[in-house]
Amino acid sequence: DTAVSQTPKYLVTQMGNDKSIKCEQNLGHDTMYWYKQDSKKFLKIMFSYNNKELIINETVPNRFSPKSPDKAHLNLHINSLELGDSAVYFCASSNLFAETQYFGPGTRLLVL
Amino acid sequence: AQKITQTQPGMFVQEKEAVTLDCTYDTSDPSYGLFWYKQPSSGEMIFLIYQGSYDQQNATEGRYSLNFQKARKSANLVISASQLGDSAMYFCAMREGVAGANNLFFGTGTRLTVIP
Repeated sequence: DTAVSQTPKYLVTQMGNDKSIKCEQNLGHDTMYWYKQDSKKFLKIMFSYNNKELIINETVPNRFSPKSPDKAHLNLHINSLELGDSAVYFCASSNLFAETQYFGPGTRLLVL
Repeated sequence: AQKITQTQPGMFVQEKEAVTLDCTYDTSDPSYGLFWYKQPSSGEMIFLIYQGSYDQQNATEGRYSLNFQKARKSANLVISASQLGDSAMYFCAMREGVAGANNLFFGTGTRLTVIP
């Protein structure tokens, strides 16, 4: 009964590949997010999305794209992976008018 | 300018003692929210405590309290009666504007080590 879940937990892949990370929340929230945590532990927002609006951090390359099949899911697709994409990716969710974002366990991506 | 500043890369505290983790923030928006998250070595991000900019009282959650000093723009986390399980990275974060699909801005974190 995990509130926010992500799969896979670990992802090791070659440069140039395309990969996806899945995120699901069972909290009934209407807003979901993707964050990137770099090797220095710094967390930065990539996207926020509710069923009406996608807000993209302008620093995110267009190789990254979020896809939401329904309100409970926000998957992250990454095309043409690069070495610098290696990081931990966190999904989070909140209610639009609530105060707290709840995070998934993270996906550790390593690009070789 | 950094929106959230955590000046302590690492802190040590003796078990059962209290410890304060510093956080200062920078915003011109009158409405904002301040958060603390804990990241243990297992990697997950655990929500600890929240303070709204209009809240009159300092937030408390069990052994966690947030020392909110609005004029100084500081939101320090106080952990009382430290336990070995408190050893982790602690992140301060801020949401600007009223609650909504607003992103969190994170500080660089403080690594807390509790000594037996």
